[in-house]
Amino acid sequence: GIQVEQSPPDLILQEGANSTLRCNFSDSVNNLQWFHQNPWGQLINLFYIPSGTKQNGRLSATTVATERYSLLYISSSQTTDSGVYFCAVEQDSGAGSYQLTFGKGTKLSVIP
Amino acid sequence: DSGVTQTPKHLITATGQRVTLRCSPRSGDLSVYWYQQSLDQGLQFLIQYYNGEERAKGNILERFSAQQFPDLHSELNLSSLELGDSALYFCASSGDGYRGYGYTFGSGTRLTVV
Repeated sequence: GIQVEQSPPDLILQEGANSTLRCNFSDSVNNLQWFHQNPWGQLINLFYIPSGTKQNGRLSATTVATERYSLLYISSSQTTDSGVYFCAVEQDSGAGSYQLTFGKGTKLSVIP
Repeated sequence: DSGVTQTPKHLITATGQRVTLRCSPRSGDLSVYWYQQSLDQGLQFLIQYYNGEERAKGNILERFSAQQFPDLHSELNLSSLELGDSALYFCASSGDGYRGYGYTFGSGTRLTVV
């Protein structure tokens, strides 16, 4: 099956710093999403980004599908950004069947 | 509120028991997916239902089963529970046709088997 690799696995930032998280995937995909799992376990959808660039406040994401990678940028980080960031890719298994394959995540800790 | 509702939020049960997790998808979404998140396996796809029919199966154990009802809510049944089944179980939904929003996840059910 498809492989999804995220880097770095762990990241500690001082509040106000910027960061870039990377997601590499091993095969062509229909779609790609970035999620934030907060300390309470909730999975929050950040971006649906099969290709191109999107921005939402201090967060932005870029996916280069032809080169099989995506980047998530966090600017001016805040303590509330702490948690685990997951990249997930979707493949079409045929006949309307879909599934998301998740990477192992990047654990971000933002310290005051 | 993501629009996907999962109940219960927490569940503690003994080994050998059976539990049922419930999910109501976002309004208008026909597809429901179940995922398991454990410390050692990460987030894994279990099963997909579309408008009442099973569409895709992932790493779902034979002790586990699911169904989607005519009102589109779904239930995940876990039986003969083992300690290793302790995990966070997520339900997600997605729309048909235009998939521009991707998957929306519920807040999960945390299952503890003791």
